[in-house]
Amino acid sequence: DGGITQSPKYLFRKEGQNVTLSCEQNLNHDAMYWYRQDPGQGLRLIYYSQIVNDFQKGDIAEGYSVSREKKESFPLTVTSAQKNPTAFYLCASSIVRGEREKLFFGSGTQLSVL
Amino acid sequence: SQQGEEDPQALSIQEGENATMNCSYKTSINNLQWYRQNSGRGLVHLILIRSNEREKHSGRLRVTLDTSKKSSSLLITASRAADTASYFCATDRGTGTASKLTFGTGTRLQVTL
Repeated sequence: DGGITQSPKYLFRKEGQNVTLSCEQNLNHDAMYWYRQDPGQGLRLIYYSQIVNDFQKGDIAEGYSVSREKKESFPLTVTSAQKNPTAFYLCASSIVRGEREKLFFGSGTQLSVL
Repeated sequence: SQQGEEDPQALSIQEGENATMNCSYKTSINNLQWYRQNSGRGLVHLILIRSNEREKHSGRLRVTLDTSKKSSSLLITASRAADTASYFCATDRGTGTASKLTFGTGTRLQVTL
């Protein structure tokens, strides 16, 4: 089945530690995105990538880093510089064509601080 | 900052009733989308309406868009218990090929038997 796979489902971070969230898609989509969701709030864009080896900062990129070495993969690293990392992280992808289209989402990773 | 704001924040109805959710936004958009999220899960796309469209239907869903008032509404007819979820509007403000969506804070819908 085609889709987006995020792992792990739950992740715990210790003080000063970097952690990496995985996102893999087999939809052959060019664009991929990372969003952060805090309780009772909407999603905020962290980073997005329109094509392999290229990515752009979203609205809240500080304390996060990404890479896009393969079309299928868009891992997100939450660095120690992110002082409030506890949140639900969602990865998404979309096709790229003349008109912008809908996003397909993964099932999310809940990150908590120990 | 949040581009879209949904109203109401929470809505409780009985099965079979209609549910209406509203979304307001601030700047010009390319399109507006509605998503559904079950608790602790990812979002699922429901419907997309482009800035040159005024109304769109998909099954039991009806979406309207009024660009002059910068508002949209989502109507779910003949609701079911399985419709219980949070619903988000998202506005596309992207200028490149990627969909840079800005999400509202959502409406939590509870459908009781």
